[in-house]
Amino acid sequence: GDSVTQMEGPVTLSEEACLTINCTYTATGYPSLFWYVQYPGEGLQLLLKATKADDKGSNKGFEATYRKETTSFHLEKGSVQVSDSAVYFCALRTSGSRLTFGEGTQLTVNP
Amino acid sequence: GAGVSQSPRYKVAKRGRDVALRCDSISGHVTLYWYRQTLGQGSEVLTYSQSDAQRDKSGRPSGRFSAERPERSVSTLKIQRTEQGDSAVYLCASSLDGAGGTEAFFGQGTRLTVV
Repeated sequence: GDSVTQMEGPVTLSEEACLTINCTYTATGYPSLFWYVQYPGEGLQLLLKATKADDKGSNKGFEATYRKETTSFHLEKGSVQVSDSAVYFCALRTSGSRLTFGEGTQLTVNP
Repeated sequence: GAGVSQSPRYKVAKRGRDVALRCDSISGHVTLYWYRQTLGQGSEVLTYSQSDAQRDKSGRPSGRFSAERPERSVSTLKIQRTEQGDSAVYLCASSLDGAGGTEAFFGQGTRLTVV
């Protein structure tokens, strides 16, 4: 079955540091890949997505590239801000099936 | 409202009691999910439906969790004979269709505490 494995947290960084949160997946078929973010006290919201191999999703300075050869979708940001503190979830979905999430990675950015 | 809303936001239940959690999804969305989110275990899908057909049921144990969809944009998650291990945040999400690349929209969740 489909599964997503995320880098374990929590991750604590100083403001302006570089961020990478690893995500790898296994899936039957050709999944679309997503990163969702959950800010404190709020629901999950889509951060970015990629629907086919070599696509790059980007939003709010975050990027992730769909790598079919390594079955990965690592989330990166060059310079994090305190406001980026949240829980980040990698997810995949194939057509006609449910959204499958990783376990989430808690990110804390200190000023 | 334009988004997915869930009620109540917080629920405390005595162990062994049944609870019902409500989700109002976005009008026109076909696919609806219920997830359970626990600290350190991520989000576990409980149910997934397209239109009014139950496509998938999972969860531990599956017999205690069920979802009804009396209207296309309303779903009720029912948990029978609650256990302390059911304490979690329950998230509802909907999407326009079942296509792989379609975004799912989430409600803020219901935090259930079983005492």
